[in-house]
This record gives sequence, structure tokens and C-alpha cells, in this order.
Amino acid sequence: QKEVEQNSGPLSVPEGAIASLNCTYSDRGSQSFFWYRQYSGKSPELIMFIYSNGDKEDGRFTAQLNKASQYVSLLIRDSQPSDSATYLCAVKRGSYIPTFGRGTSLIVHP
Amino acid sequence: KAGVTQTPRYLIKTRGQQVTLSCSPISGHRSVSWYQQTPGQGLQFLFEYFSETQRNKGNFPGRFSGRQFSNSRSEMNVSTLELGDSALYLCASYESTDTQYFGPGTRLTVL
Repeated sequence: QKEVEQNSGPLSVPEGAIASLNCTYSDRGSQSFFWYRQYSGKSPELIMFIYSNGDKEDGRFTAQLNKASQYVSLLIRDSQPSDSATYLCAVKRGSYIPTFGRGTSLIVHP
Repeated sequence: KAGVTQTPRYLIKTRGQQVTLSCSPISGHRSVSWYQQTPGQGLQFLFEYFSETQRNKGNFPGRFSGRQFSNSRSEMNVSTLELGDSALYLCASYESTDTQYFGPGTRLTVL
């Protein structure tokens, strides 16, 4: 049974701070890792994907992957109230369908 | 390119009825996956279609079915609706890469 674990939160951070969201997965053969943002009542929106160990930066977002430790994280720098949402981690191996975590709720307060 | 479209956006049905949801993927994408999302269970995989063939199926009862047409548009059908079928139904499309892009979803309420 492939599992993807995320702390449900809520994670509360002040505006301007760094938000750190974590995700662990059980399938060592996982190859593709995705972060989605989902606002309340809306559908998931792709933020980033990462395939290789290390960091990948895109604007205020940085994805970090450590396959040996089986975790992937998302850092949001200079957090804004508009970043308040649920963040879903998804993990995929080859042609298998991705496995999604249940998401972490992030609240950025002014 | 236009994004993934889903119709209808909202549906209210009563127990025992059936419902058909539609999904049009991003132009050029031949793969479509369907998910059910509820607050208690998160995102649950329903089925995956590629070039009109069901490639994977999740652990849902036979009341849930789907199909894909030659233009890659997909439909899913739920028969004999139950209260527990109330959920957000999401369609995701993708091409040969594995990045899935979600549509806006159909919010189904079963009374």
C-alpha cells in the first residue's frame, strides 16, 4: 500500500515568514513528486514538480527532495495571506497513477 | 491552451438517481483521470483513461463507471446515487509527461 503522509495542520505563519510544508512517502521506487495548492471550494492547482534530489526553486517556492529519507518539502518564502490554502503532495512511480496526501492547511495571518 | 473543463459545475440529485459528469481535457492530452474528493477521505482515485481504454481503476463499486471518446473527452456515470456519493469530482488531464492538470470539478450533492 503506497502511502503519502502530510501533517493536516493547520500550519499558521505570520505574513512575510517562511512556511515549510512536509511530506513523507512509503514507496522507495517513487520517481515524480508534485505539490498542488487548493483553495477552499476550488480544484487543485499545480505549483511545482521535482524529480531529482536537491532543491528546485520557482519564485517564492522551493521544493526539496530527499529520496534516501523519503521526504519532499515545499518552502514558501515571504508568505502572503493569499497563500492560505491546503497544499497537497503527490507522489508517482512510473506509469502508475499518483498517490496524494490528504494535504496540509496553511494559514498566513497579517 | 484552454484548461480542463468540466460540466456541470454543480449538481443536486436525490438518492437512487443517476448522474453523468463530463470532462474535456487540455487539447493534445490523451490521458484523463477521475478523482473523488471528500473532506474525510481526501482525493480518491476513480479511473484512468488513455486513448479510449481504461488503464487503471480505483477501489470503487460498480455503480461508478466511465468512458473516453475518440476526441479524448471523458464521462463518468454514477448510478443509484447514495448520500455518501456527495463530493467534489475532479478530472485531471495529462499527456506523455506525468504532470496532471485538474479541471474545476463538479460539486455533486445527493439529498
